[in-house]
Amino acid sequence: GAGVSQTPSNKVTEKGKYVELRCDPISGHTALYWYRQSLGQGPEFLIYFQGTGAADDSGLPNDRFFAVRPEGSVSTLKIQRTERGDSAVYLCASSSGDRALNTEAFFGQGTRLTVV
Amino acid sequence: AQSVTQLDSQVPVFEEAPVELRCNYSSSVSVYLFWYVQYPNQGLQLLLKYLSGSTLVKGINGFEAEFNKSQTSFHLRKPSVHISDTAEYFCAVTPSGYQKVTFGTGTKLQVIP
Repeated sequence: GAGVSQTPSNKVTEKGKYVELRCDPISGHTALYWYRQSLGQGPEFLIYFQGTGAADDSGLPNDRFFAVRPEGSVSTLKIQRTERGDSAVYLCASSSGDRALNTEAFFGQGTRLTVV
Repeated sequence: AQSVTQLDSQVPVFEEAPVELRCNYSSSVSVYLFWYVQYPNQGLQLLLKYLSGSTLVKGINGFEAEFNKSQTSFHLRKPSVHISDTAEYFCAVTPSGYQKVTFGTGTKLQVIP
């Protein structure tokens, strides 16, 4: 596609429920990132995929958070047993993945998650 | 580990006046540096980046930034701002050749007519 697409744009869920957030990266981009942006804060790194594998998941806050990218394109961020503190904008970005030359990541508009 | 400090959470400036948004970083290794802009209800957009070479980097929309290794700074400047520059600006850093980016807390630039 022309840009990084994230769905849904807004998600309201009840505390304790399970949610899935989807990211469709730019076609051909091998690197994909998830970030979380809380109110008044900068984006916070969650996980980075190179192809199908998670190259760095050190930013996932706990085991309620999990992300997959089974075919090396679309990625899903999964949050179990949601808590009110999970409320934030979840950002996805992709890049061509050439670590030496291309370090520009293109961001989607994010999914605003509200846990009530 | 890397960190980024943006000391100014909000910067009001009159239209056509110059502006400087400050960014300082800390890192024990060489880094790449970025400025991103986020317009209301839009995603993050790259303004400019420093990878190596000339320390003065020019970006889109008339913005430029200067990398100062001794002061570990990467301040963003524009000689004359427009109303359309009203947005939030994020400074970011990553270890050279690595993809994990650390962002600052952002500076909201408010251009006053």
